[in-house]
Amino acid sequence: TQLLEQSPQFLSIQEGENLTVYCNSSSVFSSLQWYRQEPGEGPVLLVTVVTGGEVKKLKRLTFQFGDARKDSSLHITAAQPGDTGLYLCAGERESGGYQKVTFGTGTKLQVIP
Amino acid sequence: GAGVSQSPRYKVAKRGQDVALRCDPISGHVSLFWYQQALGQGPEFLTYFQNEAQLDKSGLPSDRFFAERPEGSVSTLKIQRTQQEDSAVYLCASSPQYYEQYFGPGTRLTVT
Repeated sequence: TQLLEQSPQFLSIQEGENLTVYCNSSSVFSSLQWYRQEPGEGPVLLVTVVTGGEVKKLKRLTFQFGDARKDSSLHITAAQPGDTGLYLCAGERESGGYQKVTFGTGTKLQVIP
Repeated sequence: GAGVSQSPRYKVAKRGQDVALRCDPISGHVSLFWYQQALGQGPEFLTYFQNEAQLDKSGLPSDRFFAERPEGSVSTLKIQRTQQEDSAVYLCASSPQYYEQYFGPGTRLTVT
């Protein structure tokens, strides 16, 4: 059972368009990460957000952590073909005496030149 | 420096065979994780090591799955009597701190 639901599951857009990916949960997380994964490779960390309401920007990518630390969003401005990949959110929370990370269901993004 | 490496990258096994998947973490990383990933889905947690201690194995789907990290560095995930539903990519990640994980490229297991 996935604690973190991502939407949309698939997204195919033209180069230059904007998009937003959502990551939602009923659980509270102490931090939330976003990863990008390309075929045949492992996920690569993009950003970690820790504080409720926090907004982080990484070039054309903007990440927001919800006020209640249950949800997050990733906004990409002027998407480029190099942004193509599987985007994963991952929430960290205390479980069994240590901080456990749970991954979301994933959003597969295709940017068409 | 070298990242996380995994071997083999691809493994084809006949149903009922045993397989062993290896993970070489980044040197000095205390934490090591194994995940199972279906195509296009997010990784599902299998097990967690802190040094040589296996602190959480709650994600292992059955007693056919076994993981070890005897000297606190290299780890092996073993699957006994493989079944078709075991076909997936198995990812290993290591971390110097809990929330910053560095992933290997994965081992794609296909059970025929």
